[in-house]
Amino acid sequence: DAGITQSPRYKITETGRQVTLMCHQTWSHSYMFWYRQDLGHGLRLIYYSAAADITDKGEVPDGYVVSRSKTENFPLTLESATRSQTSVYFCASKGREQYFGPGTRLTVT
Amino acid sequence: QKEVEQNSGPLSVPEGAIASLNCTYSDRGSQSFFWYRQYSGKSPELIMFIYSNGDKEDGRFTAQLNKASQYVSLLIRDSQPSDSATYLCAVNLPNQAGTALIFGKGTTLSVSS
Repeated sequence: DAGITQSPRYKITETGRQVTLMCHQTWSHSYMFWYRQDLGHGLRLIYYSAAADITDKGEVPDGYVVSRSKTENFPLTLESATRSQTSVYFCASKGREQYFGPGTRLTVT
Repeated sequence: QKEVEQNSGPLSVPEGAIASLNCTYSDRGSQSFFWYRQYSGKSPELIMFIYSNGDKEDGRFTAQLNKASQYVSLLIRDSQPSDSATYLCAVNLPNQAGTALIFGKGTTLSVSS
């Protein structure tokens, strides 16, 4: 089905571990985004990508790495997870308007 | 610092009433404006977008834009309990990836039956 998907939907990991959140879209949108959503802060942009192999930092990029080798995929990696990275992560893609994936709830213990 | 401001609420209205949600933004260069609805535990869902001054209607929803006042609003007519959610206002950042959005923190709407 067309749309945007994220995996896993729920993840519990330990401090210091590397974890990768996956995002896949079937619309062939050029632009893709990663946000995190926390109480009191709303949605904050982590990284975005304008096309394959083009990525740039958003508001809160520290501790995160992204890549985009294919237009349809935009994985987000936490290289060494910290408790402060416990959050809900949303991937989004944009054609004329922006649409969100279902989210990944990440808990770092 | 680019900002989008919304009253956090909760905004409480009775069923059948008009709910009015407001949003102000700081960047005069912003060109595109969006309203997302987010149910608890779910992802934001796009419900309205507006690019020009004035009103735009879609069913029970009306978006209003006043660029001179840097003000966007969303009216929900004949409010239903199913409209109870958090409504996020988003504004594009011009010259920022061409499309990056800045979000307000959202207004929680509660519609009582």
